[in-house]
Amino acid sequence: NAGVTQTPKFQVLKTGQSMTLQCAQDMNHEYMSWYRQDPGMGLRLIHYSVGAGITDQGEVPNGYNVSRSTTEDFPLRLLSAAPSQTSVYFCASRPLRAGDYNEQFFGPGTRLTVL
Amino acid sequence: LAKTTQPISMDSYEGQEVNITCSHNNIATNDYITWYQQFPSQGPRFIIQGYKTKVTNEVASLFIPADRKSSTLSLPRVSLSDTAVYYCLVGDIRNAGNMLTFGGGTRLMVKP
Repeated sequence: NAGVTQTPKFQVLKTGQSMTLQCAQDMNHEYMSWYRQDPGMGLRLIHYSVGAGITDQGEVPNGYNVSRSTTEDFPLRLLSAAPSQTSVYFCASRPLRAGDYNEQFFGPGTRLTVL
Repeated sequence: LAKTTQPISMDSYEGQEVNITCSHNNIATNDYITWYQQFPSQGPRFIIQGYKTKVTNEVASLFIPADRKSSTLSLPRVSLSDTAVYYCLVGDIRNAGNMLTFGGGTRLMVKP
């Protein structure tokens, strides 16, 4: 299994541009999420999904859109990039099975710079 | 969501046991405690998870007192490669809509 993959690894945008960060997982996990991590800070949840066709907002959703048309893919769209969105973006997935044990699997991250 | 408080940073030396304590005074009945490790330029990695008493795996131990208002991650005999940021998360993992949030974490520096 490849686990959670993210593309691109690095991206530079100009203010006002739009783009889509890609995330895919091959573990058949129902739950997927997007986080951003600013330098020296913890991760903040942007959006999450508990299954295909279902998405919801996290702590910092403004300026981002998501969709979940398949179990495997969960793209994150920046509508009009701003310098405040300069950050490292992590995608994660986890199963929603019953039981006590549950861990999130994180992708390698996308480092985004907005000029 | 239960708020967590951890030390910002800790130093240790190779071969020592490291204990990182997390305070979560407002933990709810259905909340579990989960710890993640993050190396520079990588995504977080799950370490251990528990509800009460003690949990041990091949990497670490997690100690949770009876009142569950705090927890301690114990790393036995650390090495240089254990230098990382450690995050304590508290939340209802059985609730599909639950948002597990990361705080600032504890930056552990292991010295030779």
